[in-house]
Amino acid sequence: GAGVSQSPRYKVAKRGQDVALRCDPISGHVSLFWYQQALGQGPEFLTYFQNEAQLDKSGLPSDRFFAERPEGSVSTLKIQRTQQEDSAVYLCASSLPSGTGRDIQYFGAGTRLSVL
Amino acid sequence: DQQVKQNSPSLSVQEGRISILNCDYTNSMFDYFLWYKKYPAEGPTFLISISSIKDKNEDGRFTVFLNKSAKHLSLHIVPSQPGDSAVYFCAASDGGSQGNLIFGKGTKLSVKP
Repeated sequence: GAGVSQSPRYKVAKRGQDVALRCDPISGHVSLFWYQQALGQGPEFLTYFQNEAQLDKSGLPSDRFFAERPEGSVSTLKIQRTQQEDSAVYLCASSLPSGTGRDIQYFGAGTRLSVL
Repeated sequence: DQQVKQNSPSLSVQEGRISILNCDYTNSMFDYFLWYKKYPAEGPTFLISISSIKDKNEDGRFTVFLNKSAKHLSLHIVPSQPGDSAVYFCAASDGGSQGNLIFGKGTKLSVKP
């Protein structure tokens, strides 16, 4: 596909359950970002990859959140022992980096996580 | 503390008229600004951007104005169309090579026929 693909689109988890969210970036895009969007808020940065290297994970809210991109393409965001406050839409974005920080990020449709 | 602020949660405009969406920021290191449009159940879609070396950028019906001294930018849509009804997010980057974006909370625009 031409765009960023995320799966699943919706995930309902029981509190304490582990979840894994997948992101397929646009082919050839080196940079990959994860954002968390709570209801009524704008997206908030979680973590950034350049190829397979996770260069910034400063936005991850706790050590229950873990992201990987082992082959520099598909990325997985894993949340262990989910809590109700983890309920949000998780957005993935990719871009071709120019090295200037002035890149357009292309977003997927997101995964809506509901923790009961 | 919010570094990018969109103080109007919603805006309603008549079809054919101008829509003006506003955004304020606090971090003087921000030097690249973007507007994204979001329909329900879809991801944000890039609309238009502006670098801090410019004060205006235009693309068809969409124009973004940047006032660096006031740390303010605005998005003008002329003429507004019902299909423009969506949530609009203002985002900023500090120009570091990484480029992660800081978003406002969004403004929901409704364009009435």
